[in-house]
Amino acid sequence: DAGITQSPRHKVTETGTPVTLRCHQTENHRYMYWYRQDPGHGLRLIHYSYGVKDTDKGEVSDGYSVSRSKTEDFLLTLESATSSQTSVYFCAISKGDREYEQYFGPGTRLTVT
Amino acid sequence: GDSVTQMEGPVTLSEEAFLTINCTYTATGYPSLFWYVQYPGEGLQLLLKATKADDKGSNKGFEATYRKETTSFHLEKGSVQVSDSAVYFCALRGLTGGGNKLTFGTGTQLKVEL
Repeated sequence: DAGITQSPRHKVTETGTPVTLRCHQTENHRYMYWYRQDPGHGLRLIHYSYGVKDTDKGEVSDGYSVSRSKTEDFLLTLESATSSQTSVYFCAISKGDREYEQYFGPGTRLTVT
Repeated sequence: GDSVTQMEGPVTLSEEAFLTINCTYTATGYPSLFWYVQYPGEGLQLLLKATKADDKGSNKGFEATYRKETTSFHLEKGSVQVSDSAVYFCALRGLTGGGNKLTFGTGTQLKVEL
């Protein structure tokens, strides 16, 4: 257990509304990640962070922004949600030797209607 | 760039059957390799890993050997149980690029029946 929680666990929202998902960790790890999981695509990286206020884009970052003002929290914001952003979102941290091992939160199921 | 290719599922087996899920990769040098498992409604869990050629990762009866000559990391288990039903993901951490990012395969669903 890597002490990762995500909130909310489920959310239904309307097209065009802003949405923020929260990832919280209890172990002070430097690296944090946001992925989305869709059938047939596996996991795709949205954004990641390598420290407070240090973030970078992943392969599917369009339409998403992130913030990390504290080590323990990594927020993912959909500025104006679209139906194509309906997905399951996972947060992860990395730790272990060379910080290569990633550990995942329980996920947030987001439905955009 | 780095990539991971897994056999497509679903794979359906009877309990106590032998399991192999194929995984091959493309990457420069010697990446670190991982298998993750995802049970329904849950996040991914690290199952096993290998960080250099000929390493064998093992956990909970599952094994995978890092084969540099065939760029493969196939997952095996000698006798599967119904409780092994899940989606299995192969992943690699390449040597290029920052952020300790992982590249994932698309996942292979395993169904084990009595």
